[in-house]
Amino acid sequence: DIQMTQSPSSLSASVGDRVTITCRASQSIRGFLNWYQQKPGKAPKLLIYAASSLQSGVPSRFSGSGSGTDFTLTISSLQPEDFATYYCQQSYSTSWTFGLGTKVEI
Amino acid sequence: EVQLVESGGGLVQPGGSLRLSCAASGFTFSNYEINWVRQAPGQGLEWVSYIGSSGDDIFYADSVKGRFTISRDNAKKSLSLQMSSLRVEDTAVYYCARVYNFLGSPAFDYWGQGILVTVSS
Repeated sequence: DIQMTQSPSSLSASVGDRVTITCRASQSIRGFLNWYQQKPGKAPKLLIYAASSLQSGVPSRFSGSGSGTDFTLTISSLQPEDFATYYCQQSYSTSWTFGLGTKVEI
Repeated sequence: EVQLVESGGGLVQPGGSLRLSCAASGFTFSNYEINWVRQAPGQGLEWVSYIGSSGDDIFYADSVKGRFTISRDNAKKSLSLQMSSLRVEDTAVYYCARVYNFLGSPAFDYWGQGILVTVSS
């Protein structure tokens, strides 16, 4: 199975900060990488698909980049509603592996 | 409006069985692949099972293979997960999630609200 390693596991940031989360795959997954946001008690929400494409309705302060094994999610200016846990997911193989998550907190 | 609504969760003893359902509305169910994803308390997301749009293609995580069975009824717009030989470590919130193929790159674009399964004696 493809393993997905996210870093950091948590980070502290302030409103207005630029935040970067990285995700590394154990083998090349080309561009088959998605990012999700999850708030406590809620279902995950798709933010980015195909490594860099913004899902409809997601604010443009979110962006994704990368290919092969190394990927990045960037929040250009953190807003109060962005405090949440973020997960990467590979869709290269049908094991659909998720990273362990990055909790973004104040 | 696309909606996925899970039901059937609850408390079950180790070794027991439970059947989860996911009712779909607001889209042509038979056109979409669906997955089950679970989240143990305080933990991350774990993919559990996948079923293709016609039900012909099915995959399971190693952790549930041989114990869980996914199925769908396109006429009733519903998805099921039959869980047997349940273990304490199967305790989790279970989500059904729709797959959307964005120009050949699949992602889970809609999720249900989740249903809690607790395996405990």
